[in-house]
Amino acid sequence: EDKVVQSPLSLVVHEGDTVTLNCSYEVTNFRSLLWYKQEKKAPTFLFMLTSSGIEKKSGRLSSILDKKELSSILNITATQTGDSAIYLCAALKFGNEKLTFGTGTRLTIIP
Amino acid sequence: EPEVTQTPSHQVTQMGQEVILRCVPISNHLYFYWYRQILGQKVEFLVSFYNNEISEKSEIFDDQFSVERPDGSNFTLKIRSTKLEDSAMYFCASTPLKGNQPQHFGDGTRLSIL
Repeated sequence: EDKVVQSPLSLVVHEGDTVTLNCSYEVTNFRSLLWYKQEKKAPTFLFMLTSSGIEKKSGRLSSILDKKELSSILNITATQTGDSAIYLCAALKFGNEKLTFGTGTRLTIIP
Repeated sequence: EPEVTQTPSHQVTQMGQEVILRCVPISNHLYFYWYRQILGQKVEFLVSFYNNEISEKSEIFDDQFSVERPDGSNFTLKIRSTKLEDSAMYFCASTPLKGNQPQHFGDGTRLSIL
């Protein structure tokens, strides 16, 4: 059975800190790894990673995929209170369109 | 930026009743999805839909559930004979193409079964 595991489950840091969120996957016919940010409602798309070792960056957020280790990290530098959210990772397979999600990491930024 | 729109935002229904959750996908998107998230649990895939038919469904998506695209803009999820365990947040998503595409999610409908 396909599995996506995120760690830590919960993280509390002070504003300005840098955080690293982890995602590992065991998925047959793996294609891509996606990161989403979920505040009160909809998961909002952040990154899609298909190739190993290529960092994707958007402002203070960056992410990279390691296909050898079957994992991905999401880094957030100089955190702000607006970064407080649940961060979800999800795996996409070849041959179908369903996303398999992890349980998420709840990130809380203290001012 | 175009959005996936879901209505209602919250639906409260008596057990045994039928509910219809509505979604308006992004206008040029062709692939549509429903997911659900039971409180405190993972987001789970229910069904994907393309060209007026189901392309894939999970084991959760049994005969109690059905999907339809009744017109050119709406995409609906119908749940018959609702049970307490159907209480969850239901998310609709869409993509323009099949394959290696990020799915864009709506804000969800919170379904509460009493």
